[in-house]
Amino acid sequence: GENVEQHPSTLSVQEGDSAVIKCTYSDSASNYFPWYKQELGKRPQLIIDIRSNVGEKKDQRIAVTLNKTAKHFSLHITETQPEDSAVYFCAASRHNTDKLIFGTGTRLQVFP
Amino acid sequence: DSGVTQTPKHLITATGQRVTLRCSPRSGDLSVYWYQQSLDQGLQFLIQYYNGEERAKGNILERFSAQQFPDLHSELNLSSLELGDSALYFCASSSGGRENTGELFFGEGSRLTVL
Repeated sequence: GENVEQHPSTLSVQEGDSAVIKCTYSDSASNYFPWYKQELGKRPQLIIDIRSNVGEKKDQRIAVTLNKTAKHFSLHITETQPEDSAVYFCAASRHNTDKLIFGTGTRLQVFP
Repeated sequence: DSGVTQTPKHLITATGQRVTLRCSPRSGDLSVYWYQQSLDQGLQFLIQYYNGEERAKGNILERFSAQQFPDLHSELNLSSLELGDSALYFCASSSGGRENTGELFFGEGSRLTVL
């Protein structure tokens, strides 16, 4: 079945440093790759997504890259701030109306 | 506020019991998804409905069942509960139609504790 692996499971950085989270997926038919942020005790919320016809997408301090050949995609957060501390989930699906399979999550801690 | 409403927010019950979790999607959304999040675990996909029909099934146990009603609200039924069923159950919705962006809007979750 479909599987999404995510690394690392925890990540600690100093405020201002960059953070990178990596995911690989098994279903070669996957075409939609969103990232969700879940703050402590809150619901997951979409922060950025990318489709398979695009290699990179940026939105202010966050960016996502996609390598379809290698079946992996990454989230990059620059100039991290304490409010970036949360659990980040990558996900993949064949189409944006299909089921979304999530990775296991990365707990990011940004220390002041 | 995502516009997705889940009830109850918290539920404590005993092993062997049966519970029903309820979800009202955002107004106009046709797709409803259920996910299970155990302590320090990821989001496990359970099942997806689109406009009343089951669209996709994940690793949902046979003791669990769900449905989406004509008014598009959905219910997740968990029976013969075991300690390991304790988790946060999220419902999410999306428009599901041509204008669908792919974004899932999550409810606040229903926290189930089985004692």
